[in-house]
Amino acid sequence: SAVISQKPSRDICQRGTSLTIQCQVDSQVTMMFWYRQQPGQSLTLIATANQGSEATYESGFVIDKFPISRPNLTFSTLTVSNMSPEDSSIYLCSAWGQGDGWNTGELFFGEGSRLTVL
Amino acid sequence: GESVGLHLPTLSVQEGDNSIINCAYSNSASDYFIWYKQESGKGPQFIIDIRSNMDKRQGQRVTVLLNKTVKHLSLQIAATQPGDSAVYFCAERIPGAGSYQLTFGKGTKLSVIP
Repeated sequence: SAVISQKPSRDICQRGTSLTIQCQVDSQVTMMFWYRQQPGQSLTLIATANQGSEATYESGFVIDKFPISRPNLTFSTLTVSNMSPEDSSIYLCSAWGQGDGWNTGELFFGEGSRLTVL
Repeated sequence: GESVGLHLPTLSVQEGDNSIINCAYSNSASDYFIWYKQESGKGPQFIIDIRSNMDKRQGQRVTVLLNKTVKHLSLQIAATQPGDSAVYFCAERIPGAGSYQLTFGKGTKLSVIP
C-alpha cells in the first residue's frame, strides 16, 4: 500500500516560533495537499502544493503564515510561522494515488503532525 | 444514541450490531465521495468510495449508500466490532478547478460497546 511519511509526528512549540513539517511520499504524485485538523474537529484544507509553482491556498490561509515548498514530485514541506496557541492542531499531508501500485482515486494521508503551541 | 454539539456527534452501538453513520454533503455537483476512518493518533484511512452515478456500493462488511436527491450519504457497518471504534468522516469531491480537492464532513465518533 502507499506510504506517506510525515515528521515530526508531534512537537511542543513556543509562541512566536516557526516549525517546518516534512512530508515524503513513496511514489511520484502530481498534487499534494496540506490539511489542518483542530482538536475534535474535521479536516480543513490549507493548500494544494504544486510542483514547480506556488501553492494554492484556501480561503482563510495565507502564504506568509503557512509557507509551502514542493521541490519535487515526492516531497513537500509546510511551515507554521509565528505560532500562537490557536495553531495547536494536527497537520496532515495527503496525496492522490496514481498508478505504480497506488489505488487510483484514493486520497492517502500521512499519520499527521500534532503541534501544541504554548 | 446521537448527540450533536460543539464536539463530534457520537454513535454508540453494541458489539455485533449493525452501525449506520450518516452524512449530509454540501454540493449537488459533487461527483465522488469517500468514507474515511480515523483512529486516535492516526491519519484518516480510506474505507470505501462511491461515484455519483451509483447509489450503492458494497465492500467487506461495509456498504455506502448515496441519495443525491437529498444530498445524503450513509455508511453501514455490519456486525460492528471493537476495532471499528473510531471517528468516521465522509468527504466529497467537487469537480472543477482541476485540483481534486476533498471537502470533509464534520465526522461521527463511533463507540462500540463490548
